[in-house]
Amino acid sequence: KQEVTQIPAALSVPEGENLVLNCSFTDSAIYNLQWFRQDPGKGLTSLLLIQSSQREQTSGRLNASLDKSSGRSTLYIAASQPGDSATYLCAVKGNEKLTFGTGTRLTIIP
Amino acid sequence: DAGVIQSPRHEVTEMGQEVTLRCKPISGHDYLFWYRQTMMRGLELLIYFNNNVPIDDSGMPEDRFSAKMPNASFSTLKIQPSEPRDSAVYFCAFGGNTIYFGEGSWLTVV
Repeated sequence: KQEVTQIPAALSVPEGENLVLNCSFTDSAIYNLQWFRQDPGKGLTSLLLIQSSQREQTSGRLNASLDKSSGRSTLYIAASQPGDSATYLCAVKGNEKLTFGTGTRLTIIP
Repeated sequence: DAGVIQSPRHEVTEMGQEVTLRCKPISGHDYLFWYRQTMMRGLELLIYFNNNVPIDDSGMPEDRFSAKMPNASFSTLKIQPSEPRDSAVYFCAFGGNTIYFGEGSWLTVV
């Protein structure tokens, strides 16, 4: 059974800093990995999707990497802003299902 | 979000009452998923459909939960009878490679 872990559960950093969020998974037989953002009281918004054959994806200040063999992914956020404060979840897609991590709650301090 | 309408957005009901949650994905899709989110357990997949057919309902907690997808544009998740431990946010999501979430139905059973 796939297990997805995100550490730390919460992170606070000053505005302007670069930061890295971590995601690890136990079963490397995945189709893709997706990073989501969730704001309080809202649904999940897809940020980046990395196919299993890819090593990284970039969108603006966000860069996600994938090392399938070691079961790890990172989400790099450059020049953090207060608007980046949210919970970030990673999810791995197996046969047809997505398995989610429990998320990292990120707070950017102005 | 990419056009998933969920209703009701918020519901407070008494224990023992029937609860019906609704989902309307606006655009075409391959898969439709129902997730439940709680602080304790994070995001849990309850059931998913492919082309309106239920594929895996192993995440449905017990027989009190049922889900239907009578057509490509509509799905329901029903809880009968409801219990306080069912209090959670219920998300509908759809997609193929990338998954798009609705904003959730916030259920409180008292």
